Amino acid sequence: KNEVEQSPQNLTAQEGEFITINCSYSVGISALHWLQQHPGGGIVSLFMLSSGKKKHGRLIATINIQEKHSSLHITASHPRDSAVYICAVDGATNKLIFGTGTLLAVQP
Amino acid sequence: DAGITQSPRHKVTETGTPVTLRCHQTENHRYMYWYRQDPGHGLRLIHYSYGVKDTDKGEVSDGYSVSRSKTEDFLLTLESATSSQTSVYFCAIRFDRAYEQFFGPGTRLTVL
Repeated sequence: KNEVEQSPQNLTAQEGEFITINCSYSVGISALHWLQQHPGGGIVSLFMLSSGKKKHGRLIATINIQEKHSSLHITASHPRDSAVYICAVDGATNKLIFGTGTLLAVQP
Repeated sequence: DAGITQSPRHKVTETGTPVTLRCHQTENHRYMYWYRQDPGHGLRLIHYSYGVKDTDKGEVSDGYSVSRSKTEDFLLTLESATSSQTSVYFCAIRFDRAYEQFFGPGTRLTVL
């Protein structure tokens, strides 16, 4: 079993919909990261969080340390949000453990 | 982009040839990482470095070696490339007092 599990693996939404991507992990962590990768593109860090909630524009990330679970929400989704979203955890080993990603397609 | 560049950006090579990928940073960060990204596997750590001449293996290090003789450069070498090493390779740096990692643009390597 992978130490970091994401769901769903694939997600198709209509423009304007509220989107949730989930991440569960099984190891102790010092921080959790959400990353974004557009098709053929580089990897961009969206959030790093160790507790609570962070918001940036239409993106919101939450984490529940006790339940070892994090969610990434996208409000009022847009076709430009189409990308792979990757969850990664830092177990205080100076190394990240990655989920396999969620491929999001937002249709106009 | 945290001043990270990778070279080359694309390479096609033949099985059995040596290949070296370069990661260069401009901000003297201590931690540098090499990952490979493959469909169905996500990002996997090959090697990482925590200082000049200080390196350690990741989960998929077989067939790869690294060197870091200067803070700014982290080299990944495939001594004898195989088709299973066809992948996209990403370099990353980590700020010294934070957990966040920043990624380079990637190198697409094809081994025929």
